[in-house]
Amino acid sequence: EIVLTQSPGTLSLSPGERATLSCRASQSVISNYLAWYQQKPGQAPRLLIYGASSRATGIPDRFSGSGSGTDFTLTISRLEPEDFAVYYCQQYGSSVAFGQGTKVEIK
Amino acid sequence: QVQLVQSGAEVKKPGASVKVSCKASGYTFTSYYMNWVRQAPGQGLEWMGIISPTGRNTTYAQKLQGRITMTRDTSTSTVYMELSSLRSEDTAVYYCAAGYFWFDPWGQGTLVTVSS
Repeated sequence: EIVLTQSPGTLSLSPGERATLSCRASQSVISNYLAWYQQKPGQAPRLLIYGASSRATGIPDRFSGSGSGTDFTLTISRLEPEDFAVYYCQQYGSSVAFGQGTKVEIK
Repeated sequence: QVQLVQSGAEVKKPGASVKVSCKASGYTFTSYYMNWVRQAPGQGLEWMGIISPTGRNTTYAQKLQGRITMTRDTSTSTVYMELSSLRSEDTAVYYCAAGYFWFDPWGQGTLVTVSS
């Protein structure tokens, strides 16, 4: 079973800054079946990125995903006030697993 | 617009069962796999299992095997998740989510509280 480890646990940044979130898998992720979600308090998660680097419908282009194999990155080029939230990575392999999340908070 | 609407909050006693529903609209219900994902208070996301478009095939997370049952009713475009032998650590928000490799859209969530 693949385990996903996200870092850092918390990222303290100001609006307008660049955010770089990491997701590392314990084994290679099949065919880059890696997704990223955003979750705000009291809301369901929202799909941002699928297939490691494809933006979901309606997701602004300040969000980008990259990586392959065991190392993946979500980048938010310039943080907007609405981007402060928790972000999860998720992989599909022999089973489904989520990372533990990275909280992006206002500095 | 694709939408998943879940049933309301539940309070159950330890040892009881709970059945949560998820009604789909805005797309061809039988085209999509459906998943259930839960989130304990202040915690991360935990995948529980998946049911095929026809409902004939299910795969459950190993830790829930024997306690979880997923079903779907194509006539009402509704998916169900039943969890039995509830314990306090099952207290969580339960989400349905469409998809196979990744999940979109998600239901609004159903809070299940297990308390004596």
